[in-house]
Amino acid sequence: NAGVTQTPKFRILKIGQSMTLQCAQDMNHNYMYWYRQDPGMGLKLIYYSVGAGITDKGEVPNGYNVSRSTTEDFPLRLELAAPSQTSVYFCASSDQLNTEAFFGQGTRLTVV
Amino acid sequence: GQQVMQIPQYQHVQEGEDFTTYCNSSTTLSNIQWYKQRPGGHPVFLIQLVKSGEVKKQKRLTFQFGEAKKNSSLHITATQTTDVGTYFCAPRGYQKVTFGTGTKLQVIP
Repeated sequence: NAGVTQTPKFRILKIGQSMTLQCAQDMNHNYMYWYRQDPGMGLKLIYYSVGAGITDKGEVPNGYNVSRSTTEDFPLRLELAAPSQTSVYFCASSDQLNTEAFFGQGTRLTVV
Repeated sequence: GQQVMQIPQYQHVQEGEDFTTYCNSSTTLSNIQWYKQRPGGHPVFLIQLVKSGEVKKQKRLTFQFGEAKKNSSLHITATQTTDVGTYFCAPRGYQKVTFGTGTKLQVIP
């Protein structure tokens, strides 16, 4: 099994551009999460989903949007990229809320 | 809302020394998980604690959950260079899954 797959691994965006970070999991997990990790810092929850069609805001949702049309996929959309969104983005999934979370390899995004 | 602090933020130890990181919550937790993130890597699950006062061991790692379920600790005995990384606690409760601030461990050979 691939687990959690994130694409792309690296991306450079210009201010004002938009992009979608892709996340897919093949473990049939209900819960999926997006985190951002600034250099030398901890993980901040952006959005999460408890199942297909259901999403909710985390700690730092501003500037991002998500959708969950299938169990497998949980894309993260940046509409108007800003330098403050330069970070490493991790997608994760878990079977239930209180079970082990599996992380993707991360997407390193730089906004210039 | 729930706030979780980890101390220390950084720790440098000589190889062979012990290391402890503490996770403190402002609210009672249903359970808590611990993750390790190697430099340049992604967080990897280590363990989950559920019961009040629970203690679990994984080789040189000892995890504890406080009696009041508001704090937890990770202790590494005789650190090795392979222990280098950042250790995060991750309290579980409700739906918003958050992570502690992390403790970055450097091991000097």
